[in-house]
Amino acid sequence: GENVEQHPSTLSVQEGDSAVIKCTYSDSASNYFPWYKQELGKRPQLIIDIRSNVGEKKDQRIAVTLNKTAKHFSLHITETQPEDSAVYFCAAGTSYDKVIFGPGTSLSVIP
Amino acid sequence: EAQVTQNPRYLITVTGKKLTVTCSQNMNHEYMSWYRQDPGLGLRQIYYSMNVEVTDKGDVPEGYKVSRKEKRNFPLILESPSPNQTSLYFCASSFSGPNEQYFGPGTRLTVT
Repeated sequence: GENVEQHPSTLSVQEGDSAVIKCTYSDSASNYFPWYKQELGKRPQLIIDIRSNVGEKKDQRIAVTLNKTAKHFSLHITETQPEDSAVYFCAAGTSYDKVIFGPGTSLSVIP
Repeated sequence: EAQVTQNPRYLITVTGKKLTVTCSQNMNHEYMSWYRQDPGLGLRQIYYSMNVEVTDKGDVPEGYKVSRKEKRNFPLILESPSPNQTSLYFCASSFSGPNEQYFGPGTRLTVT
């Protein structure tokens, strides 16, 4: 079955700097890679996703890249702001079945 | 307002006392799923449902049951709860498959 690893587990950056979170997956059949943000005490919310027929996707300050050959994908947040502080989860799976979540990265943006 | 609701939000119970956590969505979503969240382990899928009367095991189904008799509801049943089922539970739904899942507010369960 699918296994998703995520690094780092914690990340601190200065406001305005960039943050990068990396994930690897094991199942080459995976074709859907969403990223969720969970603020303290809140529910996870989808922030961006990418499918296997696309190598990169951007949405304002957030971008995701996918390397299918190496089976890894990354989340890039530019110009970080204090409100970006949260736990971020990557996930990998198939768009018709289920996804497996990584263990999460706790991001702190220091003002 | 489009939403996923869960009840109860908080529950403290004792070992072996059957309980049900309800989940309801008003978005006509076909796909519904239950996850548990434990520190350092991320979100682990318990069960999911592709549509009415169609359910399947996720990664950690032991000790749980589900049913999908109506499209909007997907209750999670713990027939005989044990302390290792103490966790934060999330229900999620989406139009089709696990694409763009919308999560409920969570249910914090403590089993003593």
